[in-house]
Amino acid sequence: EPEVTQTPSHQVTQMGQEVILRCVPISNHLYFYWYRQILGQKVEFLVSFYNNEISEKSEIFDDQFSVERPDGSNFTLKIRSTKLEDSAMYFCASNLRLTTEAFFGQGTRLTVV
Amino acid sequence: AQTVTQSQPEMSVQEAETVTLSCTYDTSESDYYLFWYKQPPSRQMILVIRQEAYKQQNATENRFSVNFQKAAKSFSLKISDSQLGDAAMYFCAYLTQGGSEKLVFGKGTKLTVNP
Repeated sequence: EPEVTQTPSHQVTQMGQEVILRCVPISNHLYFYWYRQILGQKVEFLVSFYNNEISEKSEIFDDQFSVERPDGSNFTLKIRSTKLEDSAMYFCASNLRLTTEAFFGQGTRLTVV
Repeated sequence: AQTVTQSQPEMSVQEAETVTLSCTYDTSESDYYLFWYKQPPSRQMILVIRQEAYKQQNATENRFSVNFQKAAKSFSLKISDSQLGDAAMYFCAYLTQGGSEKLVFGKGTKLTVNP
């Protein structure tokens, strides 16, 4: 069964450093997303991406964040200068159409120290 | 803006028994989708069941079924014959049919299954 794959599973970084979280969405999917979940809290939308551009972003997704689909398979989330409050589980998701369910990856746990 | 409320932070059920998890939402839209996602300790988000708002028939998926009350904006999940592997966080989520592409999640309900 096709699945969304995220690497790494856990990333520890120092405050102020740049991190790149990587995702390989399901191959025929067209819409890509990043969500985050701070420990013990609900899952929050960050950004959606379609046709090689951002289609929607939340207030959380400020200038420190960026997304890219550098090739036909990877979808990355970059945080330029990490803050302690960026520590969270980051989920990548994809779907074929807007009206179908999103398939989530297993998440990357980001710890900023 | 749409909101999703799960009023039960924690629930427990005996193995083989039935449990119902509550979810209410607020929207002014008439067409939308609702989902229940399961998040086991591995933290991966797994789709459990989906409901289209225009369908009156409640969705079912094996031991999982929903009670969708559109007028009341209620979307509860019933798990029958609970199994130990059902223990997880359960998130209710809302997706608008047009325009916004994001899922709006509730805060989740932690389900414990007792042997």
